[in-house]
Amino acid sequence: DAGVIQSPRHEVTEMGQEVTLRCKPISGHNSLFWYRQTMMRGLELLIYFNNNVPIDDSGMPEDRFSAKMPNASFSTLKIQPSEPRDSAVYFCASRKLAGDTYEQYFGPGTRLTVT
Amino acid sequence: DAKTTQPNSMESNEEEPVHLPCNHSTISGTDYIHWYRQLPSQGPEYVIHGLTSNVNNRMASLAIAEDRKSSTLILHRATLRDAAVYYCILRDGYGGSQGNLIFGKGTKLSVKP
Repeated sequence: DAGVIQSPRHEVTEMGQEVTLRCKPISGHNSLFWYRQTMMRGLELLIYFNNNVPIDDSGMPEDRFSAKMPNASFSTLKIQPSEPRDSAVYFCASRKLAGDTYEQYFGPGTRLTVT
Repeated sequence: DAKTTQPNSMESNEEEPVHLPCNHSTISGTDYIHWYRQLPSQGPEYVIHGLTSNVNNRMASLAIAEDRKSSTLILHRATLRDAAVYYCILRDGYGGSQGNLIFGKGTKLSVKP
């Protein structure tokens, strides 16, 4: 398996532009997580989905952030409009809902820079 | 929320054992202890987890105190590739949102050749 795939790996955009980050979870995994990592705040959970349904989005910073999971193999995190404080590394992770390890598999991340 | 306390950083020599401590004095009976690590410029990766008994896998060993208020991740022979930030995380076994992973600051492990 290729693991969790994220695209793009790097994104540089100007303040006010729309940014869309993409994630393909591991095949067979039915739970998907979006995290954000900054030096100041560390690794924060933004939102997670079970079986394509958003379960908890309490970590989403504000209305400028939205996430969707239209099917089991694809999810997007959109920021509109983007601001410099959104600069961070965004990670997607997936896992199987069943099973006792609760092992999450993380993607390589998207490094977002908003100027 | 139950929280963990870890040293900010530790150093080790290559090929020597490393003991990474974690304190979790407010742990509840349903909390699992998870360890993840994050290598430079990569996403976190699962290392090991346990509930009450000590655990071993190909990556590491997890020693859990009898009162469960602390645990230690043991790398038996550190390699340069083990240099990473190690996160000790408590996860509520009841699941739901309380069952998600909440990452703290972790311990940055440096390995000297």
